[in-house]
Amino acid sequence: QLQLVQSGAEVRKPGASVKVSCKVSGYTVNELAIHWVRQAPGKGLEWMGGFAPEDGETIYAQKFQGRVTMTEDISTNTAYLELSSLGSEDTAVYYCAQEPASGRGYYGLDVWGQGTTVTVSS
Amino acid sequence: QSILTQPPSVSGTPGQRVVISCTGSNSNIGAPYDVHWYQQLPGTAPKLLIYGNTRRPSGVPARFSGSKSGTSASLAVTGLQAEDEADYFCQSYDITLNACVFGGGTKLTVL
Repeated sequence: QLQLVQSGAEVRKPGASVKVSCKVSGYTVNELAIHWVRQAPGKGLEWMGGFAPEDGETIYAQKFQGRVTMTEDISTNTAYLELSSLGSEDTAVYYCAQEPASGRGYYGLDVWGQGTTVTVSS
Repeated sequence: QSILTQPPSVSGTPGQRVVISCTGSNSNIGAPYDVHWYQQLPGTAPKLLIYGNTRRPSGVPARFSGSKSGTSASLAVTGLQAEDEADYFCQSYDITLNACVFGGGTKLTVL
């Protein structure tokens, strides 16, 4: 049974970076199409990027390119999202989620982490 | 502005049928890429409700159904129950953006 367990809440100052983790159990992380999706307070879901295990490619949403990095650590079976140059508009709940394949959203995201709240405030 | 357009809110009384629309374009739903639907209860992570336009994951009640035609898709909830009060999001893939895209979300209120 696949489970995704995320790290705890973070508080950062504007201009700083944050790294959120997503611990995978039940499968090997590099076999999974892991996506990162965020939700600002009272707002909708916003896709940030996804990893396609079939070709090893990570696709980032254009809005975040140059500021976001998605990585995986096979030794700890954990996926990571790092976001830099934080502003108040980055205050949101960040979710990792798994898709059966593609990393592009072709098949739907069927398993979600519990979410990590990131607050950016001076 | 979301790539997929949903009504901000819909409402119904217990037992009624409600429909939530999701309108896209020939770059996504009409390309044609599948549409998926998520239910988000207050304070919780989204849950996959419908995938592949019409399919329900194990455990999702048959009261929930999906359909797709051209550049639009719909989620229908029949026999509305109080526990169905939640936010609902549609999702697809956009070939022009090469990105996974979500609708803006629809708040379903059970009166």
